Amino acid sequence: NAGVTQTPKFQVLKTGQSMTLQCAQDMNHNSMYWYRQDPGMGLRLIYYSASEGTTDKGEVPNGYNVSRLNKREFSLRLESAAPSQTSVYFCASSEGTIRYEQYFGPGTRLTVT
Amino acid sequence: GQQLNQSPQSMFIQEGEDVSMNCTSSSIFNTWLWYKQDPGEGPVLLIALYKAGELTSNGRLTAQFGITRKDSFLNISASIPSDVGIYFCAGRPSNFNKFYFGSGTKLNVKP
Repeated sequence: NAGVTQTPKFQVLKTGQSMTLQCAQDMNHNSMYWYRQDPGMGLRLIYYSASEGTTDKGEVPNGYNVSRLNKREFSLRLESAAPSQTSVYFCASSEGTIRYEQYFGPGTRLTVT
Repeated sequence: GQQLNQSPQSMFIQEGEDVSMNCTSSSIFNTWLWYKQDPGEGPVLLIALYKAGELTSNGRLTAQFGITRKDSFLNISASIPSDVGIYFCAGRPSNFNKFYFGSGTKLNVKP
């Protein structure tokens, strides 16, 4: 089992460009999450999907959109990147009904110039 | 939004020493998680706690779910150099399928 995978690992964008970060899990988990991590800070929730077909805003959703493509995949889209979105982005998943432990992917390091 | 206060922010200890860190919240949580993050990697789950008062061990690590449900503690015994990293707590409020994360405790271990 690969667990949670994310692509790409690194990305550099110019202000105003768009991109989609991909996340997939092979643990048959119901819930999936997108976080951003900035230097010296903890993880802040951007969006989450408690189950296939649902998505909800987290603490910092502005400037992002998400799609729960199927049970395995949850993508994060930046429509018009801004320098403030320079960060490390982590995807996570959890079983989400009885057990809530979240398992994280390796992250995507995004720089917006 | 929710605030989790994690302390200390950083620690410098000698190899072999024991370590303690904690997280506190103004709200009640139903689940506490503890993670370790190495540079350039994603957080790795260490311990999950589901009941107030619960004490759970994972090797040299022991974590406790506070009786008030507003705090949690992580202890590392007999630290070794590979314990170096950032430790995060995370708490889940009742009726929510999401967690709030502390800002982390950076642990440095001198051989």
